[in-house]
Amino acid sequence: GQNIDQPTEMTATEGAIVQINCTYQTSGFNGLFWYQQHAGEAPTFLSYNVLDGLEEKGRFSSFLSRSKGYSYLLLKELQMKDSASYLCAVRDEDTGRRALTFGSGTRLQVQP
Amino acid sequence: DVKVTQSSRYLVKRTGEKVFLECVQDMDHENMFWYRQDPGLGLRLIYFSYDVKMKEKGDIPEGYSVSREKKERFSLILESASTNQTSMYLCASSLGGGGTTDTQYFGPGTRLTVL
Repeated sequence: GQNIDQPTEMTATEGAIVQINCTYQTSGFNGLFWYQQHAGEAPTFLSYNVLDGLEEKGRFSSFLSRSKGYSYLLLKELQMKDSASYLCAVRDEDTGRRALTFGSGTRLQVQP
Repeated sequence: DVKVTQSSRYLVKRTGEKVFLECVQDMDHENMFWYRQDPGLGLRLIYFSYDVKMKEKGDIPEGYSVSREKKERFSLILESASTNQTSMYLCASSLGGGGTTDTQYFGPGTRLTVL
């Protein structure tokens, strides 16, 4: 089975940097995904990590430590439009289960 | 771009009715998924399918069934709707095969209310 933990809510200021953490406990591991979901909309893919280290994609970066079961999403130069929920999801090693297991999501509020 | 569409954005049904939610993807993806999303509980997997006519139970399959007669279409069926099935239902698809091909692409969601 899988257990994924994220903070429920975070608040940050426009122009600042925010780090959203995700910890997971899995019976196996085959990749971690981050999604963004604006209120009332579908989740959209942000990033994928399978090896340890930092993956950078514009203002967004994602870090993974497999030994610690830990990931974070780093958002730089925050904009008001970044107000959304951020979902961490893990793909486990069981090839018979092609689904992802999602955390409950972190609601980020960006203030002026 | 991958496009996943769902038959309705909003749906209101009565207790005991049979409800069909339809999902179509246009990228020839092997895998399709149905989730429900409730406040504080996140996305929970109901059923998924990795091939035509194949299906696997997810974490909360009770009260639901699915059908995949064609590769591009995956239907979720509530045999007898109940009020505790009021939720946002999200369909997703992925190419499958490991790595980034496991990225799931979501439809816009159907907000179902059962009265």
